[in-house]
Amino acid sequence: GQNIDQPTEMTATEGAIVQINCTYQTSGFNGLFWYQQHAGEAPTFLSYNVLDGLEEKGRFSSFLSRSKGYSYLLLKELQMKDSGSYLCAVLSGGYQKVTFGIGTKLQVIP
Amino acid sequence: DTEVTQTPKHLVMGMTNKKSLKCEQHMGHRAMYWYKQKAKKPPELMFVYSYEKLSINESVPSRFSPECPNSSLLNLHLHALQPEDSALYLCASSQLAGGTGELFFGEGSRLTVL
Repeated sequence: GQNIDQPTEMTATEGAIVQINCTYQTSGFNGLFWYQQHAGEAPTFLSYNVLDGLEEKGRFSSFLSRSKGYSYLLLKELQMKDSGSYLCAVLSGGYQKVTFGIGTKLQVIP
Repeated sequence: DTEVTQTPKHLVMGMTNKKSLKCEQHMGHRAMYWYKQKAKKPPELMFVYSYEKLSINESVPSRFSPECPNSSLLNLHLHALQPEDSALYLCASSQLAGGTGELFFGEGSRLTVL
């Protein structure tokens, strides 16, 4: 089976940096995604990690440690529009099975 | 074209009705997915089609019947649903070879079962 854990809620201040952690246990691990989802909308892709290390994309960075079953999403220079849910998702079983964690609801405050 | 199109956007049906949700993509993706999402919950995988063949069924009740007529289309046939099946149904597609396996989601079909 699979187990994906992430905090359910976080609050951060506009302009600050926030780190959202995700731990996972799975067989046949092939990679880890981060998605953003606003209420009532479909998830949108943020990042993908398959090898250990940091992937940077603008204000967003994602880190993976396969040996520790751990990932984080780092958001810099927070903006109000960054409020929403951030979903950690594990790819397993080839390019087929993407399983989502419960999601972290981030609230950005002025 | 990087879109996944789902129809209808909203659907209300009774427990005895038969209806279908439709999904279409023209990105050449050979994997297509149905996810179910309840309010304040993450998307839950229901079915995966790879090269138009059903490759994953996450023990979904038979009142949900998927169909993949060709590489661009994915349907979800609904029959004798229960009120607890009310949810947002998300279709997604991804490349099977090459790429990252990133899922491209449609906007979803919001289903209400009365």
